[in-house]
Amino acid sequence: AQSVAQPEDQVNVAEGNPLTVKCTYSVSGNPYLFWYVQYPNRGLQFLLKYITGDNLVKGSYGFEAEFNKSQTSFHLKKPSALVSDSALYFCAVRPISSGSARQLTFGSGTQLTVLP
Amino acid sequence: NAGVTQTPKFQVLKTGQSMTLQCAQDMNHEYMSWYRQDPGMGLRLIHYSVGAGITDQGEVPNGYNVSRSTTEDFPLRLLSAAPSQTSVYFCASRQTNYGYTFGSGTRLTVV
Repeated sequence: AQSVAQPEDQVNVAEGNPLTVKCTYSVSGNPYLFWYVQYPNRGLQFLLKYITGDNLVKGSYGFEAEFNKSQTSFHLKKPSALVSDSALYFCAVRPISSGSARQLTFGSGTQLTVLP
Repeated sequence: NAGVTQTPKFQVLKTGQSMTLQCAQDMNHEYMSWYRQDPGMGLRLIHYSVGAGITDQGEVPNGYNVSRSTTEDFPLRLLSAAPSQTSVYFCASRQTNYGYTFGSGTRLTVV
């Protein structure tokens, strides 16, 4: 069975500083990896995905994530945080292999707070 | 605007009542799923569908039914509501190798 771990429930960072939100995963075979963001009382919005190719993936709003196969990690990063980045962030994984087990498994979420 | 539409946005039910959460997408996506979101637990998959007429159970299916008679619609039925089903429910759809598009959610309270 696939799983996702987001080891930090809460991450605080000062505006203008770099931010990292951690994610590790477990899946049979090669993964599709995703980051979603959720603002209060809203649905999840897609940020970026890793399918194949370059390990550094660039997404919306200046975010990027680095796929590390040996460490089974897919950490979300941004060079300079904005107060408006404050939200709940979810990492998700899905196996590439065919079959019915192709649904996303989500981590428990990390609340990012960017302090002015 | 294209996307995933969920109704209602809010609902309060009494224990034992039944109801249907509606989900519709206009992107001709094959895959649709229902998730519930609970604090500290992320999103958990309830049921999913890989196409019209095909549904399967996810991680937490008990107490819920689904059907997929058309590509566009994927309703979630609560058979006999329980307080443990108090949650925020999200419907999502995707095409083959892409990420999901999520609806705005239904906040359900069972008293």
